[in-house]
Amino acid sequence: DGGITQSPKYLFRKEGQNVTLSCEQNLNHDAMYWYRQDPGQGLRLIYYSQIVNDFQKGDIAEGYSVSREKKESFPLTVTSAQKNPTAFYLCASSRRQGGQPQHFGDGTRLSIL
Amino acid sequence: RKEVEQDPGPFNVPEGATVAFNCTYSNSASQSFFWYRQDCRKEPKLLMSVYSSGNEDGRFTAQLNRASQYISLLIRDSKLSDSATYLCVVNTGNQFYFGTGTSLTVIP
Repeated sequence: DGGITQSPKYLFRKEGQNVTLSCEQNLNHDAMYWYRQDPGQGLRLIYYSQIVNDFQKGDIAEGYSVSREKKESFPLTVTSAQKNPTAFYLCASSRRQGGQPQHFGDGTRLSIL
Repeated sequence: RKEVEQDPGPFNVPEGATVAFNCTYSNSASQSFFWYRQDCRKEPKLLMSVYSSGNEDGRFTAQLNRASQYISLLIRDSKLSDSATYLCVVNTGNQFYFGTGTSLTVIP
């Protein structure tokens, strides 16, 4: 079955530590996205990528970094510069053609130890 | 001004009721529109796309009004299993913009 796989499901970060969230898709989608969702809030865009080896900052990119070395993979690193990392992180992908919806992974919950 | 605005609710309705959600968007160049459903502590899942002519999927009907820049979702004959948060999503250029969601609880 095609889909998006995020791992781990739960992640704990210590002070000063960088952590990386994995996102893999086998839907052959060109575009991939990372969002952050805080309790009772909407989704906020962190980074997105329309094509391999290219990505753009979203609304809240500070303290995060990404790479897009392969079409299937779009890992997100939460750096120590992100002072409030506790949130639900969602990865999504879509076709680049207009009118196509996004499909989401089942998310990673990140907390500070 | 936010790209997408939704009434957060909550909407508490009895089983069998009809309920409608509205959503407005600010960019007249927006191209595609969707409704997603999100259950508590889960990822959003596509409920339906919204087409200019309006579209229906079982008990769910979606409408788009480009002139007034709003979309709507109508749920008929509400079921307990419809309890969730409903997200309005607008695609503009390379990005998707999400409303904050409308919470629905269907009461027995």
